[in-house]
Amino acid sequence: AQRVTQPEKLLSVFKGAPVELKCNYSYSGSPELFWYVQYSRQRLQLLLRHISRESIKGFTADLNKGETSFHLKKPFAQEEDSAMYYCALSDLAYSGAGSYQLTFGKGTKLSVIP
Amino acid sequence: NAGVMQNPRHLVRRRGQEARLRCSPMKGHSHVYWYRQLPEEGLKFMVYLQKENIIDESGMPKERFSAEFPKEGPSILRIQQVVRGDSAAYFCASSLLAGGNANGYTFGSGTRLTVV
Repeated sequence: AQRVTQPEKLLSVFKGAPVELKCNYSYSGSPELFWYVQYSRQRLQLLLRHISRESIKGFTADLNKGETSFHLKKPFAQEEDSAMYYCALSDLAYSGAGSYQLTFGKGTKLSVIP
Repeated sequence: NAGVMQNPRHLVRRRGQEARLRCSPMKGHSHVYWYRQLPEEGLKFMVYLQKENIIDESGMPKERFSAEFPKEGPSILRIQQVVRGDSAAYFCASSLLAGGNANGYTFGSGTRLTVV
């Protein structure tokens, strides 16, 4: 069974400080990993996915298969980064086969202190 | 494009009543997914539907819960004889392609069901 663990329920950092939101997963196949973000009073939206290898709003995340981790990082936190962040996993392979279900972690609330 | 629309935003039901949650996918999307988020938990997959078909309901409780996505109109998640444990946020997502992950899901704002 697949599982996603976000060990921190709440993370507070000062503006300008580096941010790292931790995500570990358990999955026997070839996973696809995502980070979703939910700003206050807004809907859940995709922030980034590991196969696209892009930086969105200054955030990056690298899939580490050896450590089964997909931590989200940003070098300098901004106040507008305050939100709930969810790590999610799917077993949809690049070929398009597999399941479409997303398995979510419990989320980490990031609070950036001015 | 209004995105994925869910209504109502908040729904209060007494134990034993029925709850009907509606989801209108993004224009052009024919794949709909329902997720449930219990307090202090992550989102959990419930069901995946295409127009007039249930593709995967492996995450749905066996009793009292049902879902449909008719040819016309929104997708409906129906909970009969609600109990306090059904209190949760119910999120709907839609996608253009099957599976959705290639382009990401688009989520609605959710319906918060409270059973009193």
